Amino acid sequence: EDQVTQSPEALRLQEGESSSLNCSYTVSGLRGLFWYRQDPGKGPEFLFTLYSAGEEKEKERLKATLTKKESFLHITAPKPEDSATYLCAVQLRSNDYKLSFGAGTTVTVRA
Amino acid sequence: NAGVTQTPKFRILKIGQSMTLQCAQDMNHNYMYWYRQDPGMGLKLIYYSVGAGITDKGEVPNGYNVSRSTTEDFPLRLELAAPSQTSVYFCASIRDSNTGELFFGEGSRLTVL
Repeated sequence: EDQVTQSPEALRLQEGESSSLNCSYTVSGLRGLFWYRQDPGKGPEFLFTLYSAGEEKEKERLKATLTKKESFLHITAPKPEDSATYLCAVQLRSNDYKLSFGAGTTVTVRA
Repeated sequence: NAGVTQTPKFRILKIGQSMTLQCAQDMNHNYMYWYRQDPGMGLKLIYYSVGAGITDKGEVPNGYNVSRSTTEDFPLRLELAAPSQTSVYFCASIRDSNTGELFFGEGSRLTVL
């Protein structure tokens, strides 16, 4: 069964303390992997798309990387405004208009 | 540009009641989706549509129905509400299925008592 697993479930960081979130997937025929940010009471907001192993994308303090079995979202020198739930999702070649989401990692950055 | 608009934001239903969650997008997107989000469970796909007049089931369609008579609107109907349908519902749309860049509404929080 295709599966997307995110770890850890929650991450508490001090401002400036860099860390990484993991998204592992057991799907066959990956078309793309996506990262979203979700603030409390809001809908998810798109961050990155990754298509092939070795690919990297960056946006401000966030960098997403992809291997053949997992993706990492690195948060460098986080600030309190980076506090959110980060979701990853995968898109399969066989049904390329549907995304399957992981449960998310909730990041809290303390000043 | 409003993006994806969902109504209502909050609703409390009694067991057995029915209701419709409204979703409208003004971006001329062909693809639209309904997800539900439960604590610790991630987003689960209920129904989706690849264009007006075309809908299909997702992972968890039981207890729900949809229609897509126009490109803009994609309402979700709950028939005979049950406590298991207590959740936050998100509508989303996408311009190009190749990018994975879903645009989400702000969500509708439904409680069934």
